Amino acid sequence: GENVEQHPSTLSVQEGDSAVIKCTYSDSASNYFPWYKQELGKRPQLIIDIRSNVGEKKDQRIAVTLNKTAKHFSLHITETQPEDSAVYFCAASMYSSYKLIFGSGTRLLVRP
Amino acid sequence: DTAVSQTPKYLVTQMGNDKSIKCEQNLGHDTMYWYKQDSKKFLKIMFSYNNKELIINETVPNRFSPKSPDKAHLNLHINSLELGDSAVYFCASSQYGAGATKYSTDTQYFGPGTRLTVL
Repeated sequence: GENVEQHPSTLSVQEGDSAVIKCTYSDSASNYFPWYKQELGKRPQLIIDIRSNVGEKKDQRIAVTLNKTAKHFSLHITETQPEDSAVYFCAASMYSSYKLIFGSGTRLLVRP
Repeated sequence: DTAVSQTPKYLVTQMGNDKSIKCEQNLGHDTMYWYKQDSKKFLKIMFSYNNKELIINETVPNRFSPKSPDKAHLNLHINSLELGDSAVYFCASSQYGAGATKYSTDTQYFGPGTRLTVL
């Protein structure tokens, strides 16, 4: 079945620096790749997603890139702020698969 | 106007008991899910329901029985609770299934979670 690996497991950056989180997936049929942010004690919330027909997507300080050949996708956060501190999850799914396979999460700490 | 709600928020119980968690969505979505998040924060799909029909059962022990009385509700009943069942359980919903159409997005919206502690 599909497997999603996520790195690093923890990431500490200075406020204002950039943060990059990387994921690889195993099933080449996967075509939908969302990223979720989970603050302590809260629910996961979608922050950005990308489809396999697109190589890059940007939303203000957040961007996601997808390399289908290498089967990996990355989350880029620029100009990090303390409120960006949270656990970030990547996920992958296939057309009409009715499930998301999540990576193991990255705990991001933005130091003021 | 809560989109996906769950009750209870916290559940503390003894081993061997039976308990239920309720989930409701008011988004008019067709698909609902249960996920389990363990102490290491791994999020794992348990069940998917589409229009009240079970679509996915990810090798979950049959002590776990989901029930969908209608499209807006998906409840989770757990029999004979074990220590290893302690986790946070999230309900979620989406308009269709994950990645439903080739060029559209199909966001999954999560409920607030139910923290289950089995003593």
